[in-house]
Amino acid sequence: QQQVKQSPQSLIVQKGGISIINCAYENTAFDYFPWYQQFPGKGPALLIAIRPDVSEKKEGRFTISFNKSAKQFSLHIMDSQPGDSATYFCAALLTGGGNKLTFGTGTQLKVEL
Amino acid sequence: SAVISQKPSRDICQRGTSLTIQCQVDSQVTMMFWYRQQPGQSLTLIATANQGSEATYESGFVIDKFPISRPNLTFSTLTVSNMSPEDSSIYLCSVEGQMNTEAFFGQGTRLTVV
Repeated sequence: QQQVKQSPQSLIVQKGGISIINCAYENTAFDYFPWYQQFPGKGPALLIAIRPDVSEKKEGRFTISFNKSAKQFSLHIMDSQPGDSATYFCAALLTGGGNKLTFGTGTQLKVEL
Repeated sequence: SAVISQKPSRDICQRGTSLTIQCQVDSQVTMMFWYRQQPGQSLTLIATANQGSEATYESGFVIDKFPISRPNLTFSTLTVSNMSPEDSSIYLCSVEGQMNTEAFFGQGTRLTVV
């Protein structure tokens, strides 16, 4: 059972545009929602994260929007750059529950010039 | 943040053989995790390894196929045993950060079984 659903599978955005990736979760006990960025040949790296008591978190060009009632959260990349081209994974964590991350299926983002 | 080194970074192995992947962390950590990432797919947790106790395996993964060692707080190994082409994948080591919410990953081991 896929507990975190992610869409789209792939995304092409023009340089300077906004990239939006969406995730939905099922387990309401999850209490931490990170996003990871993975470049080819590298392990995932934490990009930004949010807790469910906050509706939005912004760090530079990256913003997470969180809708607790809908059990959805999304990543917005403003002013997308070619260097942002990577695979993005949303994840969910139940802290204190063995700290095991449940990952979404991933979105391959390509930012074109 | 933790710096994680994995060895080997990649390998091509014959079916029926075994490969041991090493994971070294630059600081002491309680929990270490092993993930599998099949080509173009998401990350699937194989097991959690705590020092001084047996690893805890997720559904679909068994100790006979993926034995894990955790001899101290900075090191772990994952063995992929009796390999078949279906085991071709990227294997990733991960540790939790001080906040117990962050996860840091090694660069992965790209395994190809022929």
